[in-house]
Amino acid sequence: DAGVTQSPTHLIKTRGQQVTLRCSPKSGHDTVSWYQQALGQGPQFIFQYYEEEERQRGNFPDRFSGHQFPNYSSELNVNALLLGDSALYLCASSLARTGSSYNSPLHFGNGTRLTVT
Amino acid sequence: KNQVEQSPQSLIILEGKNCTLQCNYTVSPFSNLRWYKQDTGRGPVSLTIMTFSENTKSNGRYTATLDADTKQSSLHITASQLSDSASYICVVSRFSGGYNKLIFGAGTRLAVHP
Repeated sequence: DAGVTQSPTHLIKTRGQQVTLRCSPKSGHDTVSWYQQALGQGPQFIFQYYEEEERQRGNFPDRFSGHQFPNYSSELNVNALLLGDSALYLCASSLARTGSSYNSPLHFGNGTRLTVT
Repeated sequence: KNQVEQSPQSLIILEGKNCTLQCNYTVSPFSNLRWYKQDTGRGPVSLTIMTFSENTKSNGRYTATLDADTKQSSLHITASQLSDSASYICVVSRFSGGYNKLIFGAGTRLAVHP
């Protein structure tokens, strides 16, 4: 049973460029969340996709956009890269539930390490 | 403001020793509290999830406690091993707008030395 897979594992880009990161969720999961983790910090929530729509969004500018495909896989796009975008980008998958009783754990991929020079 | 604070920021212990990591939160309304282990260069892996009514949960040598009244949690590691060297992240979930929103702490970096 494949877990969450992300590609590429490492990426080096130049300021001003655009980047696309990819994520395949754990088998059976239908919800994908993206996080940005700076060195020495906890993950920061970017957005969440469910049924091919953005369902929640964190405090990130419009340069960060995403997409979810019918097979539940997802892409994160970042335009006009800044040096401060250098981070580990984590994808996490889960099974959609609503209500405060939802306690299923998030399953994380190993991330894409993005370096902007 | 909804925040999760962890202490200490980093910790060094000798192999075989026990340790306790702390997590204080000001998240409301509270849904659940999770502890994750993150090895360097890897994604976080879930250790425990506790709801409001649970005050302790174990996963092998890891035992998490929750005091919902004081809004504090701890993660106790027993008989530490070199493989326990990692960051441990406390995550509190709040229920808002029909969804659970996760708020991450900055983590405690644990180093276990032989």
